[in-house]
Amino acid sequence: DTEVTQTPKHLVMGMTNKKSLKCEQHMGHRAMYWYKQKAKKPPELMFVYSYEKLSINESVPSRFSPECPNSSLLNLHLHALQPEDSALYLCASSQDLRDDEKLFFGSGTQLSVL
Amino acid sequence: QKEVEQNSGPLSVPEGAIASLNCTYSDRGSQSFFWYRQYSGKSPELIMSIYSNGDKEDGRFTAQLNKASQYVSLLIRDSQPSDSATYLCAVNPLEGFKTIFGAGTRLFVKA
Repeated sequence: DTEVTQTPKHLVMGMTNKKSLKCEQHMGHRAMYWYKQKAKKPPELMFVYSYEKLSINESVPSRFSPECPNSSLLNLHLHALQPEDSALYLCASSQDLRDDEKLFFGSGTQLSVL
Repeated sequence: QKEVEQNSGPLSVPEGAIASLNCTYSDRGSQSFFWYRQYSGKSPELIMSIYSNGDKEDGRFTAQLNKASQYVSLLIRDSQPSDSATYLCAVNPLEGFKTIFGAGTRLFVKA
C-alpha cells in the first residue's frame, strides 16, 4: 500500500463551524506533514510530525490545530476559519524526517470557507 | 530567505519534442532535489530525485544537477499530451527538514 488517504475530498464550511480533516497512511512512514496550497501557488508547509510528535509549526494561526493520534493517522482540526483560508490542504508522509526524504502526497481536501 | 525559482510558463511544446524545465535555488548547501508533477486539481506526485552533480535518467525523464551553478533541470523526451501538467521543483536545504517548493512551471504538450 503506497497511498496516503485524505478525507473528505471537498469541504464547505462557515466561519463559525468546527470541522476536521483526516489523513491516513499504512506505509510505515514516521513523518507526516500538512501543506496548504492556493491556486497556481506552490505547497506551503504548515506542520510536521515525526514519530507522533510535533516537530515543526510554521507559525500557523491557532484556528488550525493538528493532531497525530498514532503513527498512521494525522488530523487537522479547523475552527473559526476565514475566507482566505480557502485552499487545497494536502497531507504527505515520508519514511523519516531526514533531508533526503521523498514526500508521498494524499489527494487533498479542497476547502471553501464561506 | 531560502528560495526556489522557476519560470511559471506556460511552456508549450509539440507532441514528440523534448520539454526542458529549469529551476534555480538560493541555498548553496542544499543536498536533495526533487521534481514533482501536479495535474490540475490533483496532488503533487514525485517523478524524479537527484542528489549529486550530473544527469539521472528514468525512462523519458532526465534530471540534471549543477550545484556550482545552483541549477536543476528536468528534460522530458518524446513529450506526450498526458505530460501536460505543472512541474514543481523542490529542494531540501542543508538546515532543517523543510522541503521548499518552487512555484511550478506549467507544461502544455500539443497533440
